[in-house]
Amino acid sequence: DQQVKQNSPSLSVQEGRISILNCDYTNSMFDYFLWYKKYPAEGPTFLISISSIKDKNEDGRFTVFLNKSAKHLSLHIVPSQPGDSAVYFCAASAVTGTSYGKLTFGQGTILTVHP
Amino acid sequence: KAGVTQTPRYLIKTRGQQVTLSCSPISGHRSVSWYQQTPGQGLQFLFEYFSETQRNKGNFPGRFSGRQFSNSRSEMNVSTLELGDSALYLCASSLQGANYGYTFGSGTRLTVV
Repeated sequence: DQQVKQNSPSLSVQEGRISILNCDYTNSMFDYFLWYKKYPAEGPTFLISISSIKDKNEDGRFTVFLNKSAKHLSLHIVPSQPGDSAVYFCAASAVTGTSYGKLTFGQGTILTVHP
Repeated sequence: KAGVTQTPRYLIKTRGQQVTLSCSPISGHRSVSWYQQTPGQGLQFLFEYFSETQRNKGNFPGRFSGRQFSNSRSEMNVSTLELGDSALYLCASSLQGANYGYTFGSGTRLTVV
């Protein structure tokens, strides 16, 4: 079963505009959420995270929003830059239960930022 | 501060052989996890080690095994290789576990022919 879902396989945005990447989860035990960026033939690079006790976390151009009741989180990138073009993965973890010690990843969204 | 180092970067093996992949975590990180990335299945959790103990294991057959040494370095082994084992194998390290965020290595690209 896919506990973390990124329903948009791809997203295309103009440079300078906002990019919004979405992620849904089903496991109520998840209490920590992360976004990673990945280039081909490289490992994922950590971008930003959020604990389930918060609903928003900002770091420069990146903001993550968490809606626990909807089991939904989103990553906003403002303004988008061509260098942001990559695959973005949403991931979730839980302190306890069968998810302990591991990240569960979504399938990824390919972001393309056009100059 | 050195990142997570995985060796080798690329590997070609024949069906039926076995393979050992190595991972050196960031200094001070005690949790090491392994993931398999394939086009069809995405990033899938293999196992996680903390202080030489396996704390969690994903849904992979027993041909996939791992271990962690006292210096936190980790190895994973795949025996009796199958064509479907061709993938990018990623190692990640963290101070204590997933809720502290993981730093990933660049991966080992395994091709089984």
